[in-house]
Amino acid sequence: AQTVTQSQPEMSVQEAETVTLSCTYDTSESDYYLFWYKQPPSRQMILVIRQEAYKQQNATENRFSVNFQKAAKSFSLKISDSQLGDAAMYFCAYRSARETGTASKLTFGTGTRLQVTL
Amino acid sequence: DTAVSQTPKYLVTQMGNDKSIKCEQNLGHDTMYWYKQDSKKFLKIMFSYNNKELIINETVPNRFSPKSPDKAHLNLHINSLELGDSAVYFCASSQYRSPAFFGPGTRLTVL
Repeated sequence: AQTVTQSQPEMSVQEAETVTLSCTYDTSESDYYLFWYKQPPSRQMILVIRQEAYKQQNATENRFSVNFQKAAKSFSLKISDSQLGDAAMYFCAYRSARETGTASKLTFGTGTRLQVTL
Repeated sequence: DTAVSQTPKYLVTQMGNDKSIKCEQNLGHDTMYWYKQDSKKFLKIMFSYNNKELIINETVPNRFSPKSPDKAHLNLHINSLELGDSAVYFCASSQYRSPAFFGPGTRLTVL
């Protein structure tokens, strides 16, 4: 079974600075997807960024980028130029690329609460 | 235009009651899910349907019964509610090789 670990329960960053959230995972599969979801106090789950395991290039979405290290099974999220609106819980998630049966579910880490200070 | 909607957003009820949560998606996705987020914010899959067929049932008490009348709707009925059922329940949908999109969540409080 796949597992996802987020070892930082809480992080803090000053506005306009850069912060990196860590995520490691365990799987025996070679093809899968990794995601970062943001959950602000409104509790809505918002997709931040996705990475396909077969792509070597790290995904980027505006101020958000990932460092995907497949051999190390590491998938960290970097937030540049942090804004007050970035304050939220951030969840790392894994999904198998096999789209049948239980493979399509998301397995989540325990989350990292990000605080943004002035 | 809401992609995945859930009703109600808040549900407060007494132990022993039966309640339902409804979910609808207008994304045309084939697969829908129910996830439970506990008080420690941990998210875990409960059920998944693909084209109205149950494909995931993760050791959930049989007091929980999902129903999918069509591929755009997935409802969750809970019988004999217990204190431990208090949580946020998220509906989500996805399509082949696409990420999952979540509804706004339903905060269930059992008194």
